[in-house]
Amino acid sequence: DGGITQSPKYLFRKEGQNVTLSCEQNLNHDAMYWYRQDPGQGLRLIYYSQIVNDFQKGDIAEGYSVSREKKESFPLTVTSAQKNPTAFYLCASSIVPTNTGELFFGEGSRLTVL
Amino acid sequence: AQSVAQPEDQVNVAEGNPLTVKCTYSVSGNPYLFWYVQYPNRGLQFLLKYITGDNLVKGSYGFEAEFNKSQTSFHLKKPSALVSDSALYFCAVTLGGTNAGKSTFGDGTTLTVKP
Repeated sequence: DGGITQSPKYLFRKEGQNVTLSCEQNLNHDAMYWYRQDPGQGLRLIYYSQIVNDFQKGDIAEGYSVSREKKESFPLTVTSAQKNPTAFYLCASSIVPTNTGELFFGEGSRLTVL
Repeated sequence: AQSVAQPEDQVNVAEGNPLTVKCTYSVSGNPYLFWYVQYPNRGLQFLLKYITGDNLVKGSYGFEAEFNKSQTSFHLKKPSALVSDSALYFCAVTLGGTNAGKSTFGDGTTLTVKP
């Protein structure tokens, strides 16, 4: 079945450590996105990529980095510069350019900083 | 800039009663509007969308939504609620085209359906 796979589902990190969240899709979608979800808040866009080897900052990119070396993969690194990294992270994809806009989401990764 | 407001943090309904979850939006241009549902510790699932055409759109699990351009609203509705509809619901807006995935989400509304 086609879909988006995020790993790990749960991750614990000590302060000062970088961590990388994996996102893989087999939907053949061109665009991929990373969102952050905090309790009581909507999703906020961290980074997005519409083609391989290209990506753009979203609304809250500070303290995060991404790469898009393959169409299927869009890993997110949460660096030690991110001041409040504890959150639920969601990866999504969509079809471009005849894009009618709906996003397909993975199951999420919950990061907790100890 | 685009924005979405979901004025109710929580909606409670009895099973079998109709439900409405409200959403209003602000965008410069013609909006693409979406509803997603999220169950605890899961990703979001697409329910329905409005792109153009008929103002009443039908989606998954018996849900529908009505686009009202004059009121800039896109309320989610269901004629008869089920306990299994209890979840967190998000409204989202985008301008479409190559920026379509850059959706702006509301803060979410928790729907609780009681037996």
